[in-house]
Amino acid sequence: AQSVTQLDSQVPVFEEAPVELRCNYSSSVSVYLFWYVQYPNQGLQLLLKYLSGSTLVKGINGFEAEFNKSQTSFHLRKPSVHISDTAEYFCAVSLSGGYNKLIFGAGTRLAVHP
Amino acid sequence: GAVVSQHPSWVICKSGTSVKIECRSLDFQATTMFWYRQFPKQSLMLMATSNEGSKATYEQGVEKDKFLINHASLTLSTLTVTSAHPEDSSFYICSASSSSRKISYEQYFGPGTRLTVT
Repeated sequence: AQSVTQLDSQVPVFEEAPVELRCNYSSSVSVYLFWYVQYPNQGLQLLLKYLSGSTLVKGINGFEAEFNKSQTSFHLRKPSVHISDTAEYFCAVSLSGGYNKLIFGAGTRLAVHP
Repeated sequence: GAVVSQHPSWVICKSGTSVKIECRSLDFQATTMFWYRQFPKQSLMLMATSNEGSKATYEQGVEKDKFLINHASLTLSTLTVTSAHPEDSSFYICSASSSSRKISYEQYFGPGTRLTVT
């Protein structure tokens, strides 16, 4: 079975500082990896995904993530955050792409302070 | 492209009544739809997966007689919470995906429906 661990439940950071949100997964087979963002009382928006190929994936809003197979990690990074990045971030895995079921991590609350 | 809507966005109902939530894919055909439940400050938990024209597949621990899912067309799935109780109060989110080439291997999420049972 697959599982996802998001190591930080909350990450406070000052505006324009860099940030890393950590995600580790467990699976005995190959997985696809996703990062989603959720703003209050809204659904989820896809930030980026890793299916295959280059291990460095660039997404929307200046976010990027690196797939590290040996460490089974898929950490999300942004070099300079904005107040508007304050939201809940979810890491997720899927066995064979998005139309198979997603297993979500517990989420990380990113709070950007002025 | 790939927009998913949900209706209503917020609903309040009395204990013992039933409530229906609609999930629509507006600009693509959704061969598969998923229903999730999210409690405050928690992650999304998959409730069921439905394929158009087939019975839904429920996750372990989800009561299929209480949470009725119908995926009658390639653009519409409904979730009916029957005989709702206060513990059913939650945020329900649907997602849709398609096996077509343009939208590959990705789930598109609706904005969610806040259900409050009094």
